[in-house]
Formats: sequence, C-alpha cells, structure tokens
Amino acid sequence: NAGVTQTPKFQVLKTGQSMTLQCAQDMNHNSMYWYRQDPGMGLRLIYYSASEGTTDKGEVPNGYNVSRLNKREFSLRLESAAPSQTSVYFCASSEAQVENTIYFGEGSWLTVV
Amino acid sequence: GESVGLHLPTLSVQEGDNSIINCAYSNSASDYFIWYKQESGKGPQFIIDIRSNMDKRQGQRVTVLLNKTVKHLSLQIAATQPGDSAVYFCAESAGGATNKLIFGTGTLLAVQP
Repeated sequence: NAGVTQTPKFQVLKTGQSMTLQCAQDMNHNSMYWYRQDPGMGLRLIYYSASEGTTDKGEVPNGYNVSRLNKREFSLRLESAAPSQTSVYFCASSEAQVENTIYFGEGSWLTVV
Repeated sequence: GESVGLHLPTLSVQEGDNSIINCAYSNSASDYFIWYKQESGKGPQFIIDIRSNMDKRQGQRVTVLLNKTVKHLSLQIAATQPGDSAVYFCAESAGGATNKLIFGTGTLLAVQP
C-alpha cells in the first residue's frame, strides 16, 4: 500500500541547475499538491492540481513549475535552482478539495549550494 | 502552543500520562481544522479533523477540542506512548478548501519512558 511516493529522497544541486521532483499516488485521488517545509514555518503550498488537466499557483509558486502528467502523477520542476529553494518538499493528494484528508509523501530533501 | 520561532515548543510527558497540545489559529473565518503528526524524517500524517459546528470530536485515544470564541484548538492524547513522540501541528481553512490550508509550525511531543 504505497500511498504517495516521491523521488528523489535527497538531492544536492548547484545554483542554476534544474531538476524535477517526481510524485505518484495510487489512491485514485483527484487533487494533488506540492508543499515546502522550512524551519520555523508551517507547510506552504507551492502549486496544486485540483483535477487531472488543471494546475494552479499556491502561496509560494515563484521559481517552480508543475505538470499534472496524468491522474496519478504530479511533478515539480525547478528550472534554475537558488539557495532559497533549499527545503524539504512534500507531495500530497486528496480525493477532493473540500474537507478531505490530505495524504503526504515521505518528503524530498533538497539542498542548493 | 505553537510558535513561528526557529525552536519548536516542546511538551515532555511520561509514558502513560495524558498529553494536551495547543494551537491558536489566526483566521476567525476558519471553519475546518486538522491535526497532523510528523515523525522525524517522515511526511505529515492525518490524525483527526473537526468542523466549526462542533466543539469536540473523539478518535482512537485522541480528542480534539475547539473553542471558537478564543480561536483555540487542542489535541488530547490519552495514555501517551513512546510511539506518540513526534511534532504535532494544526491546520485551518475557511470553507474547508484543502488548497487554502494554513499550517502551524508545530509542537514537539517528547514521551519519556
């Protein structure tokens, strides 16, 4: 029972490099999310996808792009990584967008040097 | 209670005791609240939720209390076990929209054997 799976678990990037974080869920959920978690701050929403074929900006979208590849997969891309993007990234999913339990992946630790 | 500082507030309890973790929420329009548990190196895990038309909800060994007058939420854990050691944080939203959740910074619960 995998739930939400994200890769890679750990990544070190140099400033200016690009990379994509992959996420897949096997719960047939409609909605998917990408969050970042920084020390001393609550989870902040980067982008979300309410349903297959749609994506929308969250609270902190600058420097990121997303793709909802299909119902299962939602990727997050850093086109030109900056040290300020050093963070722990969580992918999540929920069946719908109102009062629904959000299930999180295990996290991806990204360091930009 | 929760804090926006770099150091998480810590609640230290003895195994078998009851724990009470507090959360002061910010938006008087919030009407849906969730408690999450996050173990070290893992993603947040849903514990329990409550809607604003309720002031108490019980789960397995957990109870959430909501006081809308003072915008306060608490999570009570009965007979705390070592496996309960984790960071606990609350989330709030207006209209129950999962893409509008505001997450707190969390409280570290340390269970002493």
